[in-house]
Amino acid sequence: GEDVEQSLFLSVREGDSSVINCTYTDSSSTYLYWYKQEPGAGLQLLTYIFSNMDMKQDQRLTVLLNKKDKHLSLRIADTQTGDSAIYFCAERAPMNTGFQKLVFGTGTRLLVSP
Amino acid sequence: DVKVTQSSRYLVKRTGEKVFLECVQDMDHENMFWYRQDPGLGLRLIYFSYDVKMKEKGDIPEGYSVSREKKERFSLILESASTNQTSMYLCASSQLFRGLPNNQPQHFGDGTRLSIL
Repeated sequence: GEDVEQSLFLSVREGDSSVINCTYTDSSSTYLYWYKQEPGAGLQLLTYIFSNMDMKQDQRLTVLLNKKDKHLSLRIADTQTGDSAIYFCAERAPMNTGFQKLVFGTGTRLLVSP
Repeated sequence: DVKVTQSSRYLVKRTGEKVFLECVQDMDHENMFWYRQDPGLGLRLIYFSYDVKMKEKGDIPEGYSVSREKKERFSLILESASTNQTSMYLCASSQLFRGLPNNQPQHFGDGTRLSIL
């Protein structure tokens, strides 16, 4: 079955880079996503990568995909206190019914200190 | 911008009550989803719907049912609420997955924090 794993916590200083890692199991995943959840809010789509890509850059965000190792990472450059949140990795995976669903990791809580 | 609205941010109910959580989206999306979010477990899919009056079970449907009478509205129903259903409930919507490799990300509401006493 599908499974997505992330470390639970990451603490960095303001101005440093943050790297949040994720491993997934379903090799048929086509899209992989990063969502951000601020306190008391829902999930906000940050970025995504298609499985035939190795890297995607979007301003301060860089997504790296190692398909062989089923490893996905999100790098945030020049991390700010406003980046403090929970970050979820998700893979798009097929269901037995032919539909597709998102499988989410447990989330990584990023704490940015001044 | 896509707007997914959940009717309540916080809700407190008693064990055995029938509870309705409502979700409305304004982007004419075909797919709608209900998740629950618990610490250390991430998001788990309860039910989803790909069209009006259509529904599919997710990973944890036990104790829940859903209703989709109109395209924009998807309701989650706790038939007889129990304390282990205390959780954060998140609704999401997306366009239909029309084959690969189209990308149709899910858009989320702000969540309903439900407490069952």
